[in-house]
Amino acid sequence: EVQLLESGGGLVQPGGSLRLSCAASGFTFSSYAMNWVRQAPGKGLEWVSSISGGDDRRFYTDSVKGRFTISRDNSKNTLHLQMDSLRAEDTAVYYCAKGSLSSDYSPADYWGQGTLVTVSS
Amino acid sequence: DIVMTQSPDSLAVSLGERATINCKSSQSVLYTSENKNYFAWYQQKPGQPPKLLIYWASTRESGVPDRFSGSGSGTDFTLTISSLQAEDVAVYYCQQYYSVPYTFGQGTKLEIK
Repeated sequence: EVQLLESGGGLVQPGGSLRLSCAASGFTFSSYAMNWVRQAPGKGLEWVSSISGGDDRRFYTDSVKGRFTISRDNSKNTLHLQMDSLRAEDTAVYYCAKGSLSSDYSPADYWGQGTLVTVSS
Repeated sequence: DIVMTQSPDSLAVSLGERATINCKSSQSVLYTSENKNYFAWYQQKPGQPPKLLIYWASTRESGVPDRFSGSGSGTDFTLTISSLQAEDVAVYYCQQYYSVPYTFGQGTKLEIK
């Protein structure tokens, strides 16, 4: 059974940093692209970042480029999102989501329950 | 960026009736060499993460009831629920995965009339 468990969310002041983690199990982690998708309170879904299975390709939405860094540790089946220079508009539930195919361009077939990030003074 | 626009924003349908949600992309998401539309539909119930329903515009994800179907190509797509059940109350999102950023539609809230 595929499981994705996010951690690391919390309250942080504007300009601060947080590191989200996603522990994956139930599938061959290194074979699939992984994604971070966020959802601001009461709002829709926003794709944030993706990383290829082999960690050689990383993609970001424009609003987080230069501030967020996606990474993965295939030896530990773990996905990370380092978030720096956080802004109020980054406040959201952050979901870890598995790509459904080995290629980069695929939908997300499994999602974690999400971790809430609140940026506020 | 490819902009995804769903219609309507909300929809109320009687139990057992058909529900139809539309999504239009600002540019084609059809990869012609593969003849595949890089397009998906998701369902999100309150307090839950999204669930993949349809991918490649018309392929139903494993375990998804056959009352859900997807159609369309290029820039215009439709999600149809043939006979609405109470458990289908949710927000539905379309998404393109043709190019980065993988954009979502704004969502359509489906309720029971």
